[in-house]
This record gives sequence, structure tokens and C-alpha cells, in this order.
Amino acid sequence: AQTVTQSQPEMSVQEAETVTLSCTYDTSESDYYLFWYKQPPSRQMILVIRQEAYKQQNATENRFSVNFQKAAKSFSLKISDSQLGDAAMYFCAYRSRLTGANSKLTFGKGITLSVRP
Amino acid sequence: DTEVTQTPKHLVMGMTNKKSLKCEQHMGHRAMYWYKQKAKKPPELMFVYSYEKLSINESVPSRFSPECPNSSLLNLHLHALQPEDSALYLCASSQVLRTLTPEAFFGQGTRLTVV
Repeated sequence: AQTVTQSQPEMSVQEAETVTLSCTYDTSESDYYLFWYKQPPSRQMILVIRQEAYKQQNATENRFSVNFQKAAKSFSLKISDSQLGDAAMYFCAYRSRLTGANSKLTFGKGITLSVRP
Repeated sequence: DTEVTQTPKHLVMGMTNKKSLKCEQHMGHRAMYWYKQKAKKPPELMFVYSYEKLSINESVPSRFSPECPNSSLLNLHLHALQPEDSALYLCASSQVLRTLTPEAFFGQGTRLTVV
């Protein structure tokens, strides 16, 4: 079974600065996806960024980028130029590329990010 | 259209009531999910439907009864719930096969309170 670990329950960042959220995972599979989801107080889970395990290049989406280290099973999220709207709970998640029963998402415990004005 | 629509947004029900949660998507996704989420916790998977067939039931009590009438709709029927079932119920959908868009899309959830 796959597991996802987010060991920091909370982090805080000054507006306009950069913050990195950590995530490690454990799997015996070689082909999978990793995601970071954001859940603001409005409660809708929003996809921030996606990484395919077979791609060596780290994914980027505007101010969001990841540091994907497949051998170390590490998948951290870097938020640059932090904005007040980035304040939310962030979940790291894993999904196998296999179909059927393995198509479910496995979430980490989440990290609450606060942004100081 | 990348929306997953859940109704109602809020629901208060007594322990003897029967109610249903509804979820709808029109993205052509053939996998649909129900998650339960407590405050400050990650979503916990309850059920997965793949091609309108139940593929995963994470040992959920029978007072929760899922239904997938067609590829766009997912229901969760509730009966004789307990106060500890109060939570945010999230619906999600995704592609099933190897795809360029493997992410799950989530609805806004139904905030359920059992009194």
C-alpha cells in the first residue's frame, strides 16, 4: 500500500516571500502521479500542480513549482511571491497509473499555510 | 466545463431521517468518488465507482448507500446516521485509464450535521 507523509502540520510565510512545503511518499510502484491540492476555507479542493513520475523535469505552474526526487521519494512544493490568497490547507496526494482499484487518491495529513501581510 | 456540482451545500438531519446527497459532472469522467472529511483532516475515501460499477467500498457502514444511476450522476443515500457522521462530504471525478489529465476534480462538498 502507498503512504504519503506530510510531517509539518503548520507553516507561516510573509507575503511576497517564498515557502516550501514538504512531502514524502512510499510506494513499490514505478509509474504514478503526484499532486498538490489546496483547500481554502471555502472548502473546495483545488488542484495546484501535478507531476508524472516518468517525467524527470519538475512541474511548474506560475508561482508554484515542485522539487521531485524520485529516488528519495520526495515531492516538495515551492510557492514563490506568496499572496494572501495562498493561505489554505495543502494536501500532497498520490495516484497509481494503474486502473481499477488502484485509481484512488492517497492523501497526506495536510499542512496549514498562513500568510502574514 | 470542469465542474463537479454537489447539492445541497448544507444539510442538517435527525438520526431517524433519510436524505440523499447528489453529485453531477459533465466532463466525461468514468470514475467517481465519495470522500468524508473532518475538520483539519485529509479526505477519507468512502466509495469509488468505475464505469458506473462500485469498485471500492472502504468498509463504510451500511447507513451510507451509494448509487451511480449514470455516468454523470452519483448519489449518496443516508439513513439512521449518528452524530459522529457529521462532516464535509466531498464528491470527485476523474479519468480512469492512463491519461494526460489524471487529476481528480472535486465538488464544493456538502456540510452535513446530524442532530
